[in-house]
Amino acid sequence: AQSVAQPEDQVNVAEGNPLTVKCTYSVSGNPYLFWYVQYPNRGLQFLLKYITGDNLVKGSYGFEAEFNKSQTSFHLKKPSALVSDSALYFCAVRDRGGGADGLTFGKGTHLIIQP
Amino acid sequence: SQTIHQWPATLVQPVGSPLSLECTVEGTSNPNLYWYRQAAGRGLQLLFYSVGIGQISSEVPQNLSASRPQDRQFILSSKKLLLSDSGFYLCAWSPGGGADTQYFGPGTRLTVL
Repeated sequence: AQSVAQPEDQVNVAEGNPLTVKCTYSVSGNPYLFWYVQYPNRGLQFLLKYITGDNLVKGSYGFEAEFNKSQTSFHLKKPSALVSDSALYFCAVRDRGGGADGLTFGKGTHLIIQP
Repeated sequence: SQTIHQWPATLVQPVGSPLSLECTVEGTSNPNLYWYRQAAGRGLQLLFYSVGIGQISSEVPQNLSASRPQDRQFILSSKKLLLSDSGFYLCAWSPGGGADTQYFGPGTRLTVL
């Protein structure tokens, strides 16, 4: 079975400061890892994914994430936060041997950027 | 480009009534299709997925069913709604499995009273 943990329900960051949203995962094999963002009453928007290769993945809106196999983590980062980054962020995982089945999501982290 | 539609956007239904939510994808063929439920603005739970017409896999036994009558159409149904069926229902598609990204629709907010 696979699982994702997002240990923080909420992260507060001042505008212009760097931000980190944490994610750890558990899979039986090697993972595919994803980050999505959700604005109120909207569907999820894809930010970035890790498949293989470079551990640092760059995505949309200036976000990036670092895959750390030894720590089974995939933290989302941005060097300088914007108020418009305030939203609900989801980390998701799929085992590489999992075929076409769905993603396993974490419970989400509310990111609040204060002006 | 590909787009995914869901309707209705919001729905209020009494307990015991039937349900039909529709999802359609444009601009691609033979997509993988998924239904997720999100309760209380938090974590998503995979309900069903489909790799082709008439092929449905259920992840969680419950009061819901899914069908795929056409290549790019995915329907979520119930014969009798329960209060616990309330939530935000999201449809998603992907080109295939594995590393392929899933792209989500705008969602349907269902309230069962």
